[in-house]
Amino acid sequence: DVKVTQSSRYLVKRTGEKVFLECVQDMDHENMFWYRQDPGLGLRLIYFSYDVKMKEKGDIPEGYSVSREKKERFSLILESASTNQTSMYLCASSGVGEGVVYEQYFGPGTRLTVT
Amino acid sequence: DAKTTQPPSMDCAEGRAANLPCNHSTISGNEYVYWYRQIHSQGPQYIIHGLKNNETNEMASLIITEDRKSSTLILPHATLRDTAVYYCIVKEDEKLTFGTGTRLTIIP
Repeated sequence: DVKVTQSSRYLVKRTGEKVFLECVQDMDHENMFWYRQDPGLGLRLIYFSYDVKMKEKGDIPEGYSVSREKKERFSLILESASTNQTSMYLCASSGVGEGVVYEQYFGPGTRLTVT
Repeated sequence: DAKTTQPPSMDCAEGRAANLPCNHSTISGNEYVYWYRQIHSQGPQYIIHGLKNNETNEMASLIITEDRKSSTLILPHATLRDTAVYYCIVKEDEKLTFGTGTRLTIIP
């Protein structure tokens, strides 16, 4: 079974702190994704990566950066956390194949509160 | 812009078939229809996907109309553990765009 793990289930940080959210997958997937989920807005894509050291902006990248130094690990960075970044953060991974679209596997989520 | 339209909520009696509709009238020829669900406090879980033909797996069946403008996810014998938000998504590449889905409640 594919396993996507996230470093924390719950996290509380102060405004202005630098925050790292870590995601690790164990299926050698090429693609990895970071989403945030807010009530009434559904899941929104922040960034995704299709290979090591490669990244692309999603729909809401402002205030975030990412790092993918190893294939299995994708980090989301909040350079200076703000209260409007209080949210549930979800990581996902998927494989690739020519002509085939693979499903995404999600981690359990990190509920981040910025005070 | 939303590519899919789903009812915000539905109820279904335990043991009955749950039929969740989805409209995707602007779907293009290369876009697949995907269904995911999200149980409370968990990450979304893949259920099934299809392009043109109807599909069935151990979790559900997916019925896609001939013109591909709508589809229905069928959970044949709903259990209480099927209570979740169900998302219908159309896509042709790696990125998923989630709407707000249908909150399905299974009634004992």
